[in-house]
Amino acid sequence: EDQVTQSPEALRLQEGESSSLNCSYTVSGLRGLFWYRQDPGKGPEFLFTLYSAGEEKEKERLKATLTKKESFLHITAPKPEDSATYLCAVQAGSARQLTFGSGTQLTVLP
Amino acid sequence: DGGITQSPKYLFRKEGQNVTLSCEQNLNHDAMYWYRQDPGQGLRLIYYSQIVNDFQKGDIAEGYSVSREKKESFPLTVTSAQKNPTAFYLCASTAQRVYNEQFFGPGTRLTVL
Repeated sequence: EDQVTQSPEALRLQEGESSSLNCSYTVSGLRGLFWYRQDPGKGPEFLFTLYSAGEEKEKERLKATLTKKESFLHITAPKPEDSATYLCAVQAGSARQLTFGSGTQLTVLP
Repeated sequence: DGGITQSPKYLFRKEGQNVTLSCEQNLNHDAMYWYRQDPGQGLRLIYYSQIVNDFQKGDIAEGYSVSREKKESFPLTVTSAQKNPTAFYLCASTAQRVYNEQFFGPGTRLTVL
C-alpha cells in the first residue's frame, strides 16, 4: 500500500526565516510526486510535479527537490502570504489516482 | 476562462436526506475525481471516472454515488447511508496522460444538521 507522510504537521516561521517541509513516501514504482498549496476553505492549487530522483523545480520563493525516499519543499525568505497548508501526493505504478499526505500547515509571522 | 466549478459552496443536510454536489469542468479533461477532506487530514478518494459512462470506487465509496453522463460533469450524491457526511468535498480533473497533475475546484462544505 502506498504511503505518504508529511512533517512537521505545523510550522511557524518569522518572515524571512527560511525552512523546509518534508514529504516521505513508500510506493512501488513512483511515477510522479506532486506538491499543492491549499488556503483555508479553498481547493488545492497545483505547484510542482517531480518525476525522478535528483530533479528540482522552483517557483518564486519555493523550491521542490526529490530523492528516492522523500521530497523537500524549501521556502526561502518566506512572507506572510506564503501561509497555507502544503500538500504532497504521489502517483505510483499503473494507478491513475493520487495518494495524499495529511499536509503541513505553514504560518509565516510578520 | 478554463476551470472547475463546484456548487453549492455551502450545503446543509438534514439526517436521512440525500444531497447532490455539482462539479463541472471546461478544461476538456477526460478524468474526474471526488475527494473528501476532514480537518487536519489529507484528501481521501471517494470515486473517480476516466471516461464518460464509467467510474470506479475509491477508498471510501460507501454511502456515496456518482454518475458521468457528460464529459464536463461529474455529480456526487451523498446518500442517507453515509453516517458521517460532514466534511469538505473537493472535485478534481486531469487530462488523460501518463502523469496525473490534478486540478481542483473550490470545494463544497457539507454540514449535517
